[in-house]
Amino acid sequence: KAGVTQTPRYLIKTRGQQVTLSCSPISGHRSVSWYQQTPGQGLQFLFEYFSETQRNKGNFPGRFSGRQFSNSRSEMNVSTLELGDSALYLCASSLEARGTGELFFGEGSRLTVL
Amino acid sequence: EDQVTQSPEALRLQEGESSSLNCSYTVSGLRGLFWYRQDPGKGPEFLFTLYSAGEEKEKERLKATLTKKESFLHITAPKPEDSATYLCAVQWGRLVFGKGTKLTVNP
Repeated sequence: KAGVTQTPRYLIKTRGQQVTLSCSPISGHRSVSWYQQTPGQGLQFLFEYFSETQRNKGNFPGRFSGRQFSNSRSEMNVSTLELGDSALYLCASSLEARGTGELFFGEGSRLTVL
Repeated sequence: EDQVTQSPEALRLQEGESSSLNCSYTVSGLRGLFWYRQDPGKGPEFLFTLYSAGEEKEKERLKATLTKKESFLHITAPKPEDSATYLCAVQWGRLVFGKGTKLTVNP
């Protein structure tokens, strides 16, 4: 059974650019969550999608957005990149929406903003 | 405001030296407390779920326990391969993570 796949694994951008990250959940999983991980703040919740609907959103500015497609694949976008957006972005999938903390994480997309 | 606090931030053990990691939380009405393990360059890997005070879960050298205000991850006779960052998380609608304890087990 394939795990959660995130692409790209590494990317470098400059301030002001935008970036799109992709996540393919485990087959059959309909819930996808996104987290930002930095050394100072740890893992911070960005948003959660279930059946193409955003169910929950963290405390991030509107520059951070996401969506989920009918096949459960998800993308997140960050516009007008800032230096502080440099982080590991983790996607996690689960069978159900909320209700369970048993998440299956991908290996992440490491974004560096110069 | 920190809702989930893990201590210590880092812990070094000798192989075979047992110890415990702590996770404390401040919100009532806990819907679940979860432990994850994260290796460098990888995403977190689920270990345990605890729902009510007094509950315990075990897996190999790890045992997780839960009280009304905190959880402990006990590591018995650790091996170098247990070296990782251990994260706890609590569920308040969404999952809120602590900053983790980085465990290093020296041979």
